[in-house]
Amino acid sequence: TQLLEQSPQFLSIQEGENLTVYCNSSSVFSSLQWYRQEPGEGPVLLVTVVTGGEVKKLKRLTFQFGDARKDSSLHITAAQPGDTGLYLCAGGGDSSYKLIFGSGTRLLVRP
Amino acid sequence: NAGVTQTPKFRILKIGQSMTLQCTQDMNHNYMYWYRQDPGMGLKLIYYSVGAGITDKGEVPNGYNVSRSTTEDFPLRLELAAPSQTSVYFCASSLINSPLHFGNGTRLTVT
Repeated sequence: TQLLEQSPQFLSIQEGENLTVYCNSSSVFSSLQWYRQEPGEGPVLLVTVVTGGEVKKLKRLTFQFGDARKDSSLHITAAQPGDTGLYLCAGGGDSSYKLIFGSGTRLLVRP
Repeated sequence: NAGVTQTPKFRILKIGQSMTLQCTQDMNHNYMYWYRQDPGMGLKLIYYSVGAGITDKGEVPNGYNVSRSTTEDFPLRLELAAPSQTSVYFCASSLINSPLHFGNGTRLTVT
């Protein structure tokens, strides 16, 4: 069974601070997706990474896929209250429509 | 731009009752999915469908049934509700090897 572990589970930081969220597995994934979920809504895709070592930037968010395609990280620079939410990583195998989701990191950015 | 629409938003059931969670999408996506999200946990795949007339079990299918008579609709049926089925249910759709588009969820409580 493929598992994705996210850490930390919960993070409360002050506006302007930097943070990193980790997504780790012992399994290799063909792709890794990051979603953000706000209360009362479904997850919304932030980014997909598919190549080992790939780095993608989305404004203040930087996503990295591990060289071995077993892990990923999300780094947020100068966090803002609007970044508050649940961040989920999801790994895709050969049958990429059957994603495996991590348990999520709940981020609170205090003004 | 309706996307993925789920109804109802909230429901309270008594043990042993049955209900159908409705999901429809207007993006002509082949793939549709049902996930459940429990507090502090990630999303677990209940059932998925790769096209009209085709359904398959995910990680946690027990106690649920689905059908896919059209491309647009993918209802989830609970026949004998149990407290363990208290959760938030998300329907999603996608094209092949593409990110998932989620609905806003149905919060179900079984007492």
